[in-house]
Amino acid sequence: DTGVSQNPRHKITKRGQNVTFRCDPISEHNRLYWYRQTLGQGPEFLTYFQNEAQLEKSRLLSDRFSAERPKGSFSTLEIQRTEQGDSAMYLCASSSPTGRGSYGYTFGSGTRLTVV
Amino acid sequence: QQQVKQSPQSLIVQKGGISIINCAYENTAFDYFPWYQQFPGKGPALLIAIRPDVSEKKEGRFTISFNKSAKQFSLHIMDSQPGDSATYFCAASTTGNTGKLIFGQGTTLQVKP
Repeated sequence: DTGVSQNPRHKITKRGQNVTFRCDPISEHNRLYWYRQTLGQGPEFLTYFQNEAQLEKSRLLSDRFSAERPKGSFSTLEIQRTEQGDSAMYLCASSSPTGRGSYGYTFGSGTRLTVV
Repeated sequence: QQQVKQSPQSLIVQKGGISIINCAYENTAFDYFPWYQQFPGKGPALLIAIRPDVSEKKEGRFTISFNKSAKQFSLHIMDSQPGDSATYFCAASTTGNTGKLIFGQGTTLQVKP
């Protein structure tokens, strides 16, 4: 297992288009998170899955955003009708609450979205 | 109450010096305090983490000092190297709950040769 994988690495889209990002977590991790990071800021929590269940959504996650984790494996984050304010790095992380002291909380390299 | 406040925003240190970054939190339910290192274009990478039942943790050149009563924790980088130049984020989490991380605003460290 090589860690958390995110695709694509970069996405440029026109305002109003829909985009979808994919995250493949570490296989034994049952927790999966999406974060958003804008330039010069720390990552901000968007949503959390435990297995296939989406258990928490941030108020940052407007109704244009939807996330899924079918069968508790990979996850997708879709943004509909993109706006320029959606331009950011979208980070996925996975963890296991039964892991070592660090809980194995691992981030992917992110998907950089640019809305033009 | 969910905020984690980090300082300084930026830091310049000479090679071989000590870099110190501080964080403060309000939520006493936090029970996991990691530090992440991030290079441009990359995701955050876990550097070192501490639980509130210990006051200090050391891994190589990196040390976390934790003051539970003051609700503060800090990262010390000993013998700072140019390769340490990156952005550092503190974070806090309640692992028994969702485990989501609340991040500080970040500190950009530059280590001059």
